[in-house]
Amino acid sequence: GAGVSQSPSNKVTEKGKDVELRCDPISGHTALYWYRQSLGQGLEFLIYFQGNSAPDKSGLPSDRFSAERTGGSVSTLTIQRTQQEDSAVYLCASRQVAGRGEQYFGPGTRLTVT
Amino acid sequence: SQQGEEDPQALSIQEGENATMNCSYKTSINNLQWYRQNSGRGLVHLILIRSNEREKHSGRLRVTLDTSKKSSSLLITASRAADTASYFCATAKGYSGGGADGLTFGKGTHLIIQP
Repeated sequence: GAGVSQSPSNKVTEKGKDVELRCDPISGHTALYWYRQSLGQGLEFLIYFQGNSAPDKSGLPSDRFSAERTGGSVSTLTIQRTQQEDSAVYLCASRQVAGRGEQYFGPGTRLTVT
Repeated sequence: SQQGEEDPQALSIQEGENATMNCSYKTSINNLQWYRQNSGRGLVHLILIRSNEREKHSGRLRVTLDTSKKSSSLLITASRAADTASYFCATAKGYSGGGADGLTFGKGTHLIIQP
């Protein structure tokens, strides 16, 4: 079956602009996760959803970052007023049930802020 | 913040040799997982070992876990050129329903298999 998909695969934006990154999890997976991978910080957890609610937002680096999930499926990560330090690969993962089993990762969105 | 630390940061070996990567972590865990990443994009899950397990095998992979030393190792036997990738360990805390559930990743080992 289809895996986790993310769009766009690459995004170049100017500093100060807002961006939206999209994640389509595997059908039927109730848990969805966002991570960020950058050269300086490695792989960092940002936020996860169980259904449409986000029990853990502890990894969001600032209030410029927000995420939502609707219909227990697609999720959008929004970064407002982007900064150069936001440049990274943003990875989404899903799994069938939170707290159990492996997480399946998407190919990521490479964000470059100029 | 990064909990795990893998070593070595980079490893280059000849095809057919065994590759061993180590990971250390800082807090108590529910399980530890190893992932592979090719070309800086999607992560592929390799193996999961629970905190009450000491060793696990999957094909050419062997993982050990020492919770007293807060460390794990990943052994890839009879390496192939296709094993060239970055390998990350990731730890998960106990999940209590509605609580923290994200993975904490190490910095990774970049493995190069010379044909």
